[in-house]
Amino acid sequence: RKEVEQDPGPFNVPEGATVAFNCTYSNSASQSFFWYRQDCRKEPKLLMSVYSSGNEDGRFTAQLNRASQYISLLIRDSKLSDSATYLCVVITRGSGNTGKLIFGQGTTLQVKP
Amino acid sequence: DTAVSQTPKYLVTQMGNDKSIKCEQNLGHDTMYWYKQDSKKFLKIMFSYNNKELIINETVPNRFSPKSPDKAHLNLHINSLELGDSAVYFCASSPLSDRPFYEQYFGPGTRLTVT
Repeated sequence: RKEVEQDPGPFNVPEGATVAFNCTYSNSASQSFFWYRQDCRKEPKLLMSVYSSGNEDGRFTAQLNRASQYISLLIRDSKLSDSATYLCVVITRGSGNTGKLIFGQGTTLQVKP
Repeated sequence: DTAVSQTPKYLVTQMGNDKSIKCEQNLGHDTMYWYKQDSKKFLKIMFSYNNKELIINETVPNRFSPKSPDKAHLNLHINSLELGDSAVYFCASSPLSDRPFYEQYFGPGTRLTVT
């Protein structure tokens, strides 16, 4: 089983739609969680951190469920510019203060006019 | 005012050759990383350096040797290139060595093709 699993998609949605992505992780000792965005042939960029209490940034809402080892990202009112691959990232503490980032395969979103 | 830069952006070479990829960050970060993104888009960490010291070394063939001449640079040298080394290699940096959970800033990537 992969350490971080995502449905690769693609998710094809019309502009204005609400879309949700899910991600599961296998290591219950994982400590930090993020969503990154990667545009085609570009580098990943941080979209938002994910907290147990849930957090919102404009049209984006992220949620963490530690009991089920599950992370979600909700995008409301999709824009064409939201088309990208969304990477779920989990950090597990290594020896000392090192942290190991584990990336999911990514979920591809295509927003159509 | 590029934050994390990598050279070259594209690298096409033959099997058996030795090549290097350079990375520089001007963000004043303590920690730098090398990642490999394969054709299936999985992004996997290879190495992490903190203040020129190696702190993470994943299961990477010893043909790959990172070198950090100073805190702002982390280069990747690859010996005896193989077809399976073809991928996009990303350099990244993050602030504060005792808080590895900070945002990672990625370079634009180096697309390596081994023929």
